[in-house]
Order: sequence, then C-alpha cells, then structure tokens
Amino acid sequence: QVQLQESGPGLVKPSETLSLTCTVSGGSISNYYWSWIRQPPGKGLEWIGYIYYSGNTNYNPSLKSRITISVDTSKNQFSLKLSSVTAADTAVYYCARGGTIHILQHWGQGTLVTVSS
Amino acid sequence: DIVMTQTPLSLSVTPGQPASISCKSNQSLLHSDGKTYLYWYLQKPGQSPQLLIYEVSNRLSGVPNRFSGSGSGTDFTLKISRVEAEDVGFYYCMQSIQLPPVTFGPGTKVDIK
Repeated sequence: QVQLQESGPGLVKPSETLSLTCTVSGGSISNYYWSWIRQPPGKGLEWIGYIYYSGNTNYNPSLKSRITISVDTSKNQFSLKLSSVTAADTAVYYCARGGTIHILQHWGQGTLVTVSS
Repeated sequence: DIVMTQTPLSLSVTPGQPASISCKSNQSLLHSDGKTYLYWYLQKPGQSPQLLIYEVSNRLSGVPNRFSGSGSGTDFTLKISRVEAEDVGFYYCMQSIQLPPVTFGPGTKVDIK
C-alpha cells in the first residue's frame, strides 16, 4: 500500500518561501500524478497543483505566480515551493497521488505550516 | 472556475438512520469522453480526506456499501443508507472535469445525534 509523508518547516516568516517535500513509499513515483492540496485551519480544501512523474505540471491559477512543484524520481519524492507567503498561506498542506489528472486517491497525513514572524 | 455547492452544510443523524448530501456544480461535469468527474471524500476528525466515491457512483474498494453516489450533469447526491458512528466528519464533493483548478464543495459536517 502506497504511503505519502509530507515534511518541511512548520513555521515560515512572511515574505519568505514555503518549501515542503512529499516522500512516497510502498510504490514507485512513476506513471502517476502527484498533487498538493491545502486546508486553512477550520476551512475547506484548496487544490494547489500537480506534477506528472515526467515533470509536466498544472497549477491553480490563483497561486500560479508563486508556485513551483518539482519531482525527484531517484528519491521517490516531489516538492512544493510557495514564495512570498503571507498569513493567508497558513494551512495544513497535503500531498496526494492520482492515477489520472482527475483523481486524488491516496493522501498523506498532512503537515501544518504557519506563516508568522 | 467551476463552483461547487453542497447542502446541507451540517447534518445531525441518529445511528441507523439514512443521510443524504446534495452537491451541485455551476457547469456540467460530463466530459466528452463520457465520464463524469465528480468525486466524494470523507475527512474524519483529525485525519486527511479519504476517497469514497469516484466518477459519481463508483465506490472505492473497501468502502462500505452503505455509501452510494448518484446524479448526472450538475446535480449529485451522496447517500448513507444507515449512518454509523464511524461516519462522522466532513464530506466534500470535488470536480475535476475542468482544471486548472480542481475545485471542492464547502463541505458538509455530519455528526451523530
């Protein structure tokens, strides 16, 4: 059974760059779509974007200017960078896997990132 | 962006009784490939969302058969035939016919009376 684990700093200062990594175990990163989704405390879900194992990406237009999603197949990892963060970026960040662009089938447990000075 | 709405936003159910959640989109979710890209997720307290239903009515392996999905076009429903204590949490519908972006409904909180 595939498992996804998010990791990265839990606290980021305003205007800095949030960096998270999702490590995939129990399966290959190849031939799947890998997504990031976030959930502000007490609020709903927001899709951030995805990367195909080959490197093709698709980002939420509302965040596109600040996002970079990358993949490292040798490490079975993919990563999220979100620049120029503000308090509005405080959220639990989830990574997820899908067999197509349409589905988010397996999710990580999520990691809380707080933006604060 | 496609806007997803859900009703009700909160639901309190007696164990063993049925429950129903409606999800509507402001555009049809029927793709030219014949599939309808509407999904249902359950986020149990303190957990990440888990996929229950894909493409309107297909239960993921391991999901109890008391969960069922139906609908077409812009109107969809998730039904729980007999609610159990383990079914509490937030239920989200999600569309992915038109991306970017994938969009979610606001969520329906289900708890036990």
